[in-house]
Amino acid sequence: DSGVTQTPKHLITATGQRVTLRCSPRSGDLSVYWYQQSLDQGLQFLIQYYNGEERAKGNILERFSAQQFPDLHSELNLSSLELGDSALYFCASSVASGLTYEQYFGPGTRLTVT
Amino acid sequence: TQLLEQSPQFLSIQEGENLTVYCNSSSVFSSLQWYRQEPGEGPVLLVTVVTGGEVKKLKRLTFQFGDARKDSSLHITAAQPGDTGLYLCASAGSNDYKLSFGAGTTVTVRA
Repeated sequence: DSGVTQTPKHLITATGQRVTLRCSPRSGDLSVYWYQQSLDQGLQFLIQYYNGEERAKGNILERFSAQQFPDLHSELNLSSLELGDSALYFCASSVASGLTYEQYFGPGTRLTVT
Repeated sequence: TQLLEQSPQFLSIQEGENLTVYCNSSSVFSSLQWYRQEPGEGPVLLVTVVTGGEVKKLKRLTFQFGDARKDSSLHITAAQPGDTGLYLCASAGSNDYKLSFGAGTTVTVRA
């Protein structure tokens, strides 16, 4: 158990819909990262927040957005869902920002778009 | 974004055998990390290598970082069924913290 929690574990929805994925980082961690893992693209970095502020952006679509709240939990919002958005979405957290700080991954949310 | 190539894509061996997986890039790594991911779980960091030529050992796992910092290998001695999983290498650019992952090597150790 990494200490990072993600909800829900599974999500099935239809094309065009909007969903919200939630992540609670390890106690004391200020940095949260979101990743998408699909069979054809592998594990891809989406976005990072540090203490409520966006720190780095990766291959995140404009239909996707995220935020980190004052209690440090984070939400990833996916809208106008397409079949290709079906994937595992992971959240990771670290004490601070930077590669010297280990990222701890949550168990992931499996999103299926039908 | 740094492109990482991992090989082989799949590896199936018998318990007790040794195995090596590779991670290569056309550009220099500032640092490199190896992760293991088991089905239904998130990746778990195994090691971070930073210095060219560095060798790190973690029980039966040996990690090597190439002298030119463009390649790395993970060697498992006397593999056990518990070593089964997806092994991923990852690196970040020198100026940012975005981790780029290789496609991974799926290792299956048969009892």
